[in-house]
Amino acid sequence: AQKITQTQPGMFVQEKEAVTLDCTYDTSDPSYGLFWYKQPSSGEMIFLIYQGSYDQQNATEGRYSLNFQKARKSANLVISASQLGDSAMYFCAMREDTNRGSTLGRLYFGRGTQLTVWP
Amino acid sequence: SAVISQKPSRDICQRGTSLTIQCQVDSQVTMMFWYRQQPGQSLTLIATANQGSEATYESGFVIDKFPISRPNLTFSTLTVSNMSPEDSSIYLCSVMTGSSYEQYFGPGTRLTVT
Repeated sequence: AQKITQTQPGMFVQEKEAVTLDCTYDTSDPSYGLFWYKQPSSGEMIFLIYQGSYDQQNATEGRYSLNFQKARKSANLVISASQLGDSAMYFCAMREDTNRGSTLGRLYFGRGTQLTVWP
Repeated sequence: SAVISQKPSRDICQRGTSLTIQCQVDSQVTMMFWYRQQPGQSLTLIATANQGSEATYESGFVIDKFPISRPNLTFSTLTVSNMSPEDSSIYLCSVMTGSSYEQYFGPGTRLTVT
């Protein structure tokens, strides 16, 4: 089974609007971390936001927030007030922290969502 | 956060040759990783670079093809050996710091094999 599922290959949003990028995950590890990265066409992976499995509150970083619903195993990224520069590929990733048979520190990535912001 | 640099940023290489990619971090980090991203695909972990010892490779990756060194806590190299066009990818160095749960990537090396 896939550990990270991103069901939206592409999303479109108008400038200044909010957009939600979906991510669901699958793990039996009680301790894990969830990440979102932005990858522009240049290829670099830009860290956006992190949520730990024991964190009680949803993580926020500026215009980015992570809607963490543990029971549903979802970790959606919300971008508020979209900007043209937000157009990029967005990857959701998970790290299992208890190291039960998997590489410690390894990130499992989804297939990504291509976000296009139009004026 | 950690500042990570990679050299080269891109290269075009001929089939059968080898390329060594360098990853330099501005601070000591606990763990360093090498990922590959083939065109249009997600990221796949190649190996964990272990300081002072042999790297730990993921299934499907072998040391003869992707030798890795990590002489200290701030530097690592990945060599792509005997290249073929299937090796055309972005290669990314990633680090995990001990003081944070965050995980950062270098700017990547875009490799094209002709």
